[in-house]
Amino acid sequence: KQEVTQIPAALSVPEGENLVLNCSFTDSAIYNLQWFRQDPGKGLTSLLLIQSSQREQTSGRLNASLDKSSGRSTLYIAASQPGDSATYLCAVLGGSYIPTFGRGTSLIVHP
Amino acid sequence: GAVVSQHPSRVICKSGTSVKIECRSLDFQATTMFWYRQFPKQSLMLMATSNEGSKATYEQGVEKDKFLINHASLTLSTLTVTSAHPEDSSFYICSAPFRSSYNEQFFGPGTRLTVL
Repeated sequence: KQEVTQIPAALSVPEGENLVLNCSFTDSAIYNLQWFRQDPGKGLTSLLLIQSSQREQTSGRLNASLDKSSGRSTLYIAASQPGDSATYLCAVLGGSYIPTFGRGTSLIVHP
Repeated sequence: GAVVSQHPSRVICKSGTSVKIECRSLDFQATTMFWYRQFPKQSLMLMATSNEGSKATYEQGVEKDKFLINHASLTLSTLTVTSAHPEDSSFYICSAPFRSSYNEQFFGPGTRLTVL
């Protein structure tokens, strides 16, 4: 059974810092990995999707990498802003095509 | 990206009543949709996989007679919470994979259910 772990569980940083959020998974036979953002009381917003054959994806200040063989992905946030404050979740899609989620990293960026 | 809507966004009901939540894929067809439940400050808990034209697949521990799922068309899935009780109060979210985009998951905005 696939298990997804996200570290750290919570992070509080001053504005402007570069951040790394980590996601690890136990079964490397994945179809894709997706990073999401969730604001309190809201649904999930897709940030980046990395196919299993890819090593990274970039969107603006966000960069996500994937090392399938070691079961790891990182989400890099450059020059963090207070508006980046949210919970970040990663989800892995395997052969069953049912996503498995981590518990998320709660991020606070203070001015 | 693709859009998934949910209705209602918030519902308050009395104990014993049934509540229906709709999940729609607005600009793509979804033969599969997922229903999740989320408790405060916790991650998503998959409840069931909704399949168009066939029965839903429920996760272990989820009562199928309590949480009725109907995937009526390629763009609509409904979750009905029957005889709701206060312990059913939660945030319910649906998602649909956009198969044309490598099964990228798109989520609805969620429905906050409060049972009095």
